[in-house]
Amino acid sequence: DTGVSQDPRHKITKRGQNVTFRCDPISEHNRLYWYRQTLGQGPEFLTYFQNEAQLEKSRLLSDRFSAERPKGSFSTLEIQRTEQGDSAMYLCASSLQTVRGYTFGSGTRLTVV
Amino acid sequence: GDSVTQMEGPVTLSEEAFLTINCTYTATGYPSLFWYVQYPGEGLQLLLKATKADDKGSNKGFEATYRKETTSFHLEKGSVQVSDSAVYFCALSEPANAGGTSYGKLTFGQGTILTVHP
Repeated sequence: DTGVSQDPRHKITKRGQNVTFRCDPISEHNRLYWYRQTLGQGPEFLTYFQNEAQLEKSRLLSDRFSAERPKGSFSTLEIQRTEQGDSAMYLCASSLQTVRGYTFGSGTRLTVV
Repeated sequence: GDSVTQMEGPVTLSEEAFLTINCTYTATGYPSLFWYVQYPGEGLQLLLKATKADDKGSNKGFEATYRKETTSFHLEKGSVQVSDSAVYFCALSEPANAGGTSYGKLTFGQGTILTVHP
């Protein structure tokens, strides 16, 4: 069990560029969640996968955001045409059963300049 | 919708002082309740949890009791250490259900910054 891995740890991009983040969950975990955390706030839910199916998306997930989890393993989160308001920490979490809690990755910090 | 409210911070204490961080929640069902901790430069770590009314979660000297009647899950520690300095988040999760309307996502409070001085 190597935990939840996220790549990259930090990303600086110019406004208008596209960025993609990757999350590798714990191998036996079938549930995968993406959250966004802005400075001084708690994480906010973005989207949820059960295996390869994306079953829930937050209203926070605008049309510029897309997430995939091919084959139910790793997941990617892409942001197109980045805006300064997208600057945040993007967190991935995985779980097997929600009542046992989640394991979070260390996050990808995005800065849009 | 679901929501979590934490006491406003930051909280500054001397080592060995008693800690309480208040947390109240609003939920439509019977959620599980969690406390997560985020140390500087690190990701969120589960500190403790409780899944039903009157359950007490405990870990590393921290405790919290699920109080359904007051919809609260206050975090306490009898004697804090400098190493406890971190941001603490209260969170809830509605159980995933067969109807497909809840998938167990977490709803977080805004976080409370704790600083402990020697």
